[in-house]
Amino acid sequence: AQKVTQAQTEISVVEKEDVTLDCVYETRDTTYYLFWYKQPPSGELVFLIRRNSFDEQNEISGRYSWNFQKSTSSFNFTITASQVVDSAVYFCALSEAMGGDSWGKLQFGAGTQVVVTP
Amino acid sequence: DGGITQSPKYLFRKEGQNVTLSCEQNLNHDAMYWYRQDPGQGLRLIYYSQIVNDFQKGDIAEGYSVSREKKESFPLTVTSAQKNPTAFYLCASSMVPHGEQYFGPGTRLTVT
Repeated sequence: AQKVTQAQTEISVVEKEDVTLDCVYETRDTTYYLFWYKQPPSGELVFLIRRNSFDEQNEISGRYSWNFQKSTSSFNFTITASQVVDSAVYFCALSEAMGGDSWGKLQFGAGTQVVVTP
Repeated sequence: DGGITQSPKYLFRKEGQNVTLSCEQNLNHDAMYWYRQDPGQGLRLIYYSQIVNDFQKGDIAEGYSVSREKKESFPLTVTSAQKNPTAFYLCASSMVPHGEQYFGPGTRLTVT
């Protein structure tokens, strides 16, 4: 069963527009970790953020912000004032503390392609 | 510079041949991982290792093998038993349980 769902396959915006990427996860664990990664055209995944299940504070880092809501099992990601360099595939991932692996296997969503045009 | 290196970036093989993908890290991380990515899809875990001389199967281990003889190195062999080996392969490492994983640049394998 899919544990991480990124329903948006592709989002196209014009530069300076805001874009929000949805991530819905499924787990029975009370302790888990959520991640966002960026994959630019070069292919290498770049770590953006890690959040544990006990910390529901929203976070802002420059033009990036994250909204974690346990009540809806969502961990959404917003890019404010998008730039062409933001064009990439963005992945949401889940690591479950009691999922049978003490180190935490990452389970990835299918990714959302963001295309920012000038 | 600390990081993860994968070589080569592009690899071409004929069907029926085994091929080994290299992954080296100088981050002093204990855990290392191999993922496979197919076009338009997320990453799927092939194998992972939490300590030297120990490794576990991931979700799609059939047709693959690994070794972990040194902390820095985690090579992946794609055997002829792997039915659809053409894909993008990514290696990663992490320092702590449930910590962020850092990825290498990947190897694109094409088997014809």
